[in-house]
Amino acid sequence: EDKVVQSPLSLVVHEGDTVTLNCSYEVTNFRSLLWYKQEKKAPTFLFMLTSSGIEKKSGRLSSILDKKELFSILNITATQTGDSAIYLCAVIPRGSTLGRLYFGRGTQLTVWP
Amino acid sequence: NAGVTQTPKFRILKIGQSMTLQCTQDMNHNYMYWYRQDPGMGLKLIYYSVGAGITDKGEVPNGYNVSRSTTEDFPLRLELAAPSQTSVYFCASTGGNSPLHFGNGTRLTVT
Repeated sequence: EDKVVQSPLSLVVHEGDTVTLNCSYEVTNFRSLLWYKQEKKAPTFLFMLTSSGIEKKSGRLSSILDKKELFSILNITATQTGDSAIYLCAVIPRGSTLGRLYFGRGTQLTVWP
Repeated sequence: NAGVTQTPKFRILKIGQSMTLQCTQDMNHNYMYWYRQDPGMGLKLIYYSVGAGITDKGEVPNGYNVSRSTTEDFPLRLELAAPSQTSVYFCASTGGNSPLHFGNGTRLTVT
């Protein structure tokens, strides 16, 4: 039974499109939610969200958390081919170390030129 | 600054063979983790360690063993390889107040 559910599982867009990736979770006593980008190899960290309603932004990427409704979204504007990757959402239960994560299955994003 | 280094990058094992996946980090991180990633699935935690001499089970520990004799190294041992252990294995570390740093993974095939 998945604790973290991501949707869609895969998405194909053209360069310049805006995409929204979704992550819902069922972890009780929630501590933080993280987004990672995974290209060929290791996942690389994008955002960590702890508080509801506060948007985190980095260039064309932004993310926000809704702790009441138990979900987060990751937005990517003006997509580029370099954004093609798997985007992973993960949750840390309260009381766990920062490394003890429950991951979703990921969204495979493909950006065509 | 190498970060988290995993060896080997690829390995093919026959059923019943054993092997050790190596992981070392040069960031003086206390916390280290082993995850596995099956195709189309999220990463699942196998074992973790909060410091030298201390290890604990994660979600999917069966068929694996770990040790943590030094801060830098956290090897993962497979004793009797099974096809269900075909996966990509990621080692990761953190100092405790920062997100995980992942290694580049070891792709293991058991046939």
